[in-house]
Amino acid sequence: DQQVKQNSPSLSVQEGRISILNCDYTNSMFDYFLWYKKYPAEGPTFLISISSIKDKNEDGRFTVFLNKSAKHLSLHIVPSQPGDSAVYFCAASADAGNNRKLIWGLGTSLAVNP
Amino acid sequence: DGGITQSPKYLFRKEGQNVTLSCEQNLNHDAMYWYRQDPGQGLRLIYYSQIVNDFQKGDIAEGYSVSREKKESFPLTVTSAQKNPTAFYLCASSPSFSTDTQYFGPGTRLTVL
Repeated sequence: DQQVKQNSPSLSVQEGRISILNCDYTNSMFDYFLWYKKYPAEGPTFLISISSIKDKNEDGRFTVFLNKSAKHLSLHIVPSQPGDSAVYFCAASADAGNNRKLIWGLGTSLAVNP
Repeated sequence: DGGITQSPKYLFRKEGQNVTLSCEQNLNHDAMYWYRQDPGQGLRLIYYSQIVNDFQKGDIAEGYSVSREKKESFPLTVTSAQKNPTAFYLCASSPSFSTDTQYFGPGTRLTVL
């Protein structure tokens, strides 16, 4: 049972345009969400995160939006650059005592075309 | 230059052999994790350690073993009991287990022939 879902396996956008990557979750107890970027044969790198007390967090070209009522978050990349081509993973965690394991989505492969 | 190192980058082993994957961090992080990634799959947690001399099973621990004798080291042994060991293995660490942001090493690609 996938608690964190990234329903689009792949996305292709033109350089300079906006990339929007989506993530849905089912567990209403999740209170912290993270986006990671991963190149082939490398470890994921942390990109941006958001706490459930916020609905938006921005860092340069990257903005994450959280809609708790819809259990949905999205990552916006503006403007998109060819170097952004990678797999993007959404992850979530909940406070369950001392257990804050990250629950990962399956990833969305983004291709930014020059 | 702080970070997480995993060695080797590529590893080949014959079926039936145990193999140990190295993970070292000099970030002074208490918590460390091992994940496995298969094609088209997300990251699945194998084992994690909240502190030295402590570790717990993750979601897919069968066929794996770990140790945490030093804060900076968290080696993973893939035993012959693991039915499908060929995968990309990722080690991560975080300042504490209550810290959500994890930092990853470059990964080890294990191929069992």
